[in-house]
Amino acid sequence: DAKTTQPPSMDCAEGRAANLPCNHSTISGNEYVYWYRQIHSQGPQYIIHGLKNNETNEMASLIITEDRKSSTLILPHATLRDTAVYYCIVRVGGGNAGNMLTFGGGTRLMVKP
Amino acid sequence: GAVVSQHPSWVICKSGTSVKIECRSLDFQATTMFWYRQFPKQSLMLMATSNEGSKATYEQGVEKDKFLINHASLTLSTLTVTSAHPEDSSFYICSAPTRADTQYFGPGTRLTVL
Repeated sequence: DAKTTQPPSMDCAEGRAANLPCNHSTISGNEYVYWYRQIHSQGPQYIIHGLKNNETNEMASLIITEDRKSSTLILPHATLRDTAVYYCIVRVGGGNAGNMLTFGGGTRLMVKP
Repeated sequence: GAVVSQHPSWVICKSGTSVKIECRSLDFQATTMFWYRQFPKQSLMLMATSNEGSKATYEQGVEKDKFLINHASLTLSTLTVTSAHPEDSSFYICSAPTRADTQYFGPGTRLTVL
């Protein structure tokens, strides 16, 4: 699986958009970009994933650059409960349930009042 | 999203005893489940892949005789930490992929070995 690079930490004001970047310059054509977050002392929570098109769900938006070498997770209106470590993971998708997730260091997002 | 549960959520045991942790997929079936371990201020590290009906596969450096995995059904995998020692104290987390290949994680089990 391709490696990812994320800033170790970021701050965001409550109510503002949080934009979390991720570089994955060695991504392959069949690899998806997944985002998870982990709130302290809990299991990781799935947020969103995509292959090449931008994606949006009730939690966030995922913007993937045209060359797919980087992506941005957007939390449109961050709340204090969004404070967590956010992990960007690149892996082969497409229905092969044997593919595990490899976690890097992630970005520690601190949402401040 | 899909729901994965773990039991117990926390456990304290004496050194030398064995501890069993259960991982269940509540609303979907999973032929494969994954077990991770997380030490304080570190990221999740994959320990092993649990396969329903066959042996688990372990990551390099993980002792298969110490961390026994049983995938008894399509909704249940168990991790048994045998002869636990203080260095085994950690946060153990399981995950299971849905048919759409999105993995969902359990809430984790905090093991403290005295």
